[in-house]
Amino acid sequence: NAGVTQTPKFRILKIGQSMTLQCTQDMNHNYMYWYRQDPGMGLKLIYYSVGAGITDKGEVPNGYNVSRSTTEDFPLRLELAAPSQTSVYFCASNLRGAATNEKLFFGSGTQLSVL
Amino acid sequence: AQSVAQPEDQVNVAEGNPLTVKCTYSVSGNPYLFWYVQYPNRGLQFLLKYITGDNLVKGSYGFEAEFNKSQTSFHLKKPSALVSDSALYFCAVSSGGGGNKLTFGTGTQLKVEL
Repeated sequence: NAGVTQTPKFRILKIGQSMTLQCTQDMNHNYMYWYRQDPGMGLKLIYYSVGAGITDKGEVPNGYNVSRSTTEDFPLRLELAAPSQTSVYFCASNLRGAATNEKLFFGSGTQLSVL
Repeated sequence: AQSVAQPEDQVNVAEGNPLTVKCTYSVSGNPYLFWYVQYPNRGLQFLLKYITGDNLVKGSYGFEAEFNKSQTSFHLKKPSALVSDSALYFCAVSSGGGGNKLTFGTGTQLKVEL
């Protein structure tokens, strides 16, 4: 059971480039999330999805896009990379949603630098 | 709006000594409280959670947390620290009131030294 798998682990982008961070889960979870982690700031929610075909903005969605065509996959797209998007990105999932008593399962993260 | 405060950026303890990592929260209604741990270059891992019931919650790796409603706190504890406990610890809270709002604290770096 692989859990939540994120690729790539590391990436360096130039300003203005685009890229997609991949996230796949094999636990048949309905809910999937993208967080960014900045030093001393905790985790901030970028986007989330409650099921295939349904996505919604979190706290810090600007500069990002997502899609959820299948239950398993929840890619995060950066269209025009900016230095402010230098961060560590985590994908997470669970069955019943974050505002419940159910824990989240996290991927191992993608460290992104925009130079 | 719900919030979580972890007042210490770093906690240093000697191996074998008890440890406490502090967390206070603010939420409307009854809280769901969580502790997660992050080892270097890894994702967050669930440690324990409080829903209702006993105020002392036991979790993974010998950790426990004490829920105090009057002080709105949920401090993480361990009777005897290990060097391998050194990691970044996050407290999180949700209100269960719908939506997907789970709020994380800023994290506390625990360093256990020999």
